[in-house]
Amino acid sequence: ETGVTQSPTHLIKTRGQQVTLRCSSQSGHNTVSWYQQALGQGPQFIFQYYREEENGRGNFPPRFSGLQFPNYSSELNVNALELDDSALYLCASRISPGTGYNEQFFGPGTRLTVL
Amino acid sequence: GENVEQHPSTLSVQEGDSAVIKCTYSDSASNYFPWYKQELGKGPQLIIDIRSNVGEKKDQRIAVTLNKTAKHFSLHITETQPEDSAVYFCAASKPNTGNQFYFGTGTSLTVIP
Repeated sequence: ETGVTQSPTHLIKTRGQQVTLRCSSQSGHNTVSWYQQALGQGPQFIFQYYREEENGRGNFPPRFSGLQFPNYSSELNVNALELDDSALYLCASRISPGTGYNEQFFGPGTRLTVL
Repeated sequence: GENVEQHPSTLSVQEGDSAVIKCTYSDSASNYFPWYKQELGKGPQLIIDIRSNVGEKKDQRIAVTLNKTAKHFSLHITETQPEDSAVYFCAASKPNTGNQFYFGTGTSLTVIP
């Protein structure tokens, strides 16, 4: 186990709704990234937070937003859900991006289904 | 951006045989290449990684090789066991981009007892 936890495990929403997913980083890690993994695909980078600020973003629209809290837990918020948002959402934590240590450790994910 | 391609998409081997998974990347600035194992219903688990200043790294039955000139890297698993059955992903990242990881599309490995 990596020490990264996510909640909830599974979630079902309908199109147009909003969802909040939560992540608790591994102890000592102050950087968190979120990834979307569609069925049968590799994870796609959504964004990264360091010191409570977004410092990297993939090719995802603004309706995907996030927060990082002082205790290094974080949230992923998705507004106006679309059917294609159905996926496994993964949180990954790591030590500060400036240290040269690139290793990321993933949580178990939240399976989101949009109907 | 970076484009990571991974082959094969599926791989079946007999228990005890070796398995090799190959990845190529497009951006010569990429300098860190991890491999992840993902079991059903779980998040990806880091199994081995290599940095661009190293050509090969080994950890027990698992090894990774990197050819910077050709921009490809490979995962080698020897003496495969049924518990090695999973989906394996390669990834690449480069500095100063928020350390975004670019993943391959995955290889489903089945080890037949």
